[in-house]
Amino acid sequence: AQSVTQPDIHITVSEGASLELRCNYSYGATPYLFWYVQSPGQGLQLLLKYFSGDTLVQGIKGFEAEFKRSQSSFNLRKPSVHWSDAAEYFCAVGAGGYQKVTFGTGTKLQVIP
Amino acid sequence: EAGVAQSPRYKIIEKRQSVAFWCNPISGHATLYWYQQILGQGPKLLIQFQNNGVVDDSQLPKDRFSAERLKGVDSTLKIQPAKLEDSAVYLCASSSTLGGSAGNTIYFGEGSWLTVV
Repeated sequence: AQSVTQPDIHITVSEGASLELRCNYSYGATPYLFWYVQSPGQGLQLLLKYFSGDTLVQGIKGFEAEFKRSQSSFNLRKPSVHWSDAAEYFCAVGAGGYQKVTFGTGTKLQVIP
Repeated sequence: EAGVAQSPRYKIIEKRQSVAFWCNPISGHATLYWYQQILGQGPKLLIQFQNNGVVDDSQLPKDRFSAERLKGVDSTLKIQPAKLEDSAVYLCASSSTLGGSAGNTIYFGEGSWLTVV
């Protein structure tokens, strides 16, 4: 069975600073990897996904993520954080023919002025 | 394109009572998911439907939770009787199977917030 680990529960960054959120997965074959964002009281919105091909994936809102098979990682990055990026971020792995998607525990991002 | 619709948005019930949540997925999406998200945790898959058939319900507490997707469109998730630990957000999601299921984007509704007192 697949699993996802997000080692950082809470991260605080200054507005304008760069951001990296960590995600490690466990799965025997090549997984499908996702990053979702959840604002308070809202559902989850897809930021980006890795399916195959180029290991550097561009997403919405200026986010990108890099798939590193050797490290079983799919870290999310943004070069300059905006106050509106404050939210909770979930990494997820999909596997199997019917794509069972398993989520990590999330990283809550706080942005300070 | 309309998104995933869920109702009710908020529900407060006493323990041992029953509750039902309704979900209408995006039109044409064959795969429908129900996730449970407890405060401070990531979403946990309860049940996954492909059309009107169940493909995964391994984490559904079947002694109290049930779900159905009649006619392969709308779905209902029921809890009876509710326990305090069922307090959570219940997220419905759907995805297309065009081109195969793998890697397709899952679209989430805004969730149904349940408080059991």
